[in-house]
Amino acid sequence: GAVVSQHPSWVICKSGTSVKIECRSLDFQATTMFWYRQFPKQSLMLMATSNEGSKATYEQGVEKDKFLINHASLTLSTLTVTSAHPEDSSFYICSARPTSGGFSYEQYFGPGTRLTVT
Amino acid sequence: GQNIDQPTEMTATEGAIVQINCTYQTSGFNGLFWYQQHAGEAPTFLSYNVLDGLEEKGRFSSFLSRSKGYSYLLLKELQMKDSASYLCAVMDSNYQLIWGAGTKLIIKP
Repeated sequence: GAVVSQHPSWVICKSGTSVKIECRSLDFQATTMFWYRQFPKQSLMLMATSNEGSKATYEQGVEKDKFLINHASLTLSTLTVTSAHPEDSSFYICSARPTSGGFSYEQYFGPGTRLTVT
Repeated sequence: GQNIDQPTEMTATEGAIVQINCTYQTSGFNGLFWYQQHAGEAPTFLSYNVLDGLEEKGRFSSFLSRSKGYSYLLLKELQMKDSASYLCAVMDSNYQLIWGAGTKLIIKP
């Protein structure tokens, strides 16, 4: 149980285009989902916290107009990188916190999406 | 500020024991997590400590001392597949995870 999927697993796009990444909790409901970015040989950096039915909370330094987050249901959150640039190339990972049951503060991670902007 | 410190890299021999330390300074404390992350993959949960003491789970054990702001992850009977990065993360007073930079563990035969 507690599986989180991400789609796509990798994507290459041209500079200036937009890319949408989906994060789904497959067998549980998640009121809260998190979006992280990880550059090579660095730790996870939290970008934003996504709550179902409300606006996402962005970390300092993360442009909310560039990284659009939508959490329209209890099992789906999307991250759209708008007008992507090469410096946005990174490993994007989502995680989901179960709404109820089990260990309430554990986050289950998706497999990640590797974005390359050319 | 909030800070999590752990060694950048460690090397150990297959079959041996290794201890990965983590010290932290955070605004509030609601538990400490250890995650394993293989290259190019997402982190997977290993352990959670919120009370002082040692939690044992198979070959892996995790220890916490809240008064010292210190934790360690102990890996026994090391296997080649244990080569990975080990991430220490603390949940602060806002239930936000603060992540360490990770310790890359290299296992040699």
